Amino acid sequence: NAGVTQTPKFQVLKTGQSMTLQCAQDMNHEYMSWYRQDPGMGLRLIHYSVGAGITDQGEVPNGYNVSRSTTEDFPLRLLSAAPSQTSVYFCASRSGAVADTQYFGPGTRLTVL
Amino acid sequence: KQEVTQIPAALSVPEGENLVLNCSFTDSAIYNLQWFRQDPGKGLTSLLLIQSSQREQTSGRLNASLDKSSGRSTLYIAASQPGDSATYLCAVWGSGYSTLTFGKGTMLLVSP
Repeated sequence: NAGVTQTPKFQVLKTGQSMTLQCAQDMNHEYMSWYRQDPGMGLRLIHYSVGAGITDQGEVPNGYNVSRSTTEDFPLRLLSAAPSQTSVYFCASRSGAVADTQYFGPGTRLTVL
Repeated sequence: KQEVTQIPAALSVPEGENLVLNCSFTDSAIYNLQWFRQDPGKGLTSLLLIQSSQREQTSGRLNASLDKSSGRSTLYIAASQPGDSATYLCAVWGSGYSTLTFGKGTMLLVSP
């Protein structure tokens, strides 16, 4: 199993550009999430999904869109990048079992100029 | 809104010491609590998950305890090693077991 994979690893955008961060998992997990990690702020939940076709907002959803058309993939779209979205983005997944752990991807480091 | 606090924010110890990392949360209506490790520039690795009905979990030199009524968890690391140097994150599972709320972490440095 590859686990949770994220692409790209690094990205530089200009203000106003749009892009999609890719996330995929091969563990047939129902739950997938996107977090951002900022110095002094810790990890904060952006959006999450409890299954294909079902998504919901987390703590900091503004400026981001998600969709979940398949179990495996959960892309995060930045509609119009802003410098405040400079961060490290982590995708995570887990099964529906109560005692199952959360698995994280390696992260995407995004800089918006 | 759930808030998770970790104390201390940073800790530096010599190799071989036993140490305790603290985590507190404001809403005791949690499902589970999870401890993670993060190395610089890397993703998160799960260390221990404690279910809400459990009091503690152990894995090797790590022991995590949970006291839901007081809103506290501790991570005990025995006989620390330089390879334990990393940031340790505490996170609690909230409503519907679908969202994780993280603390800001404790940065641990173990010197040889």
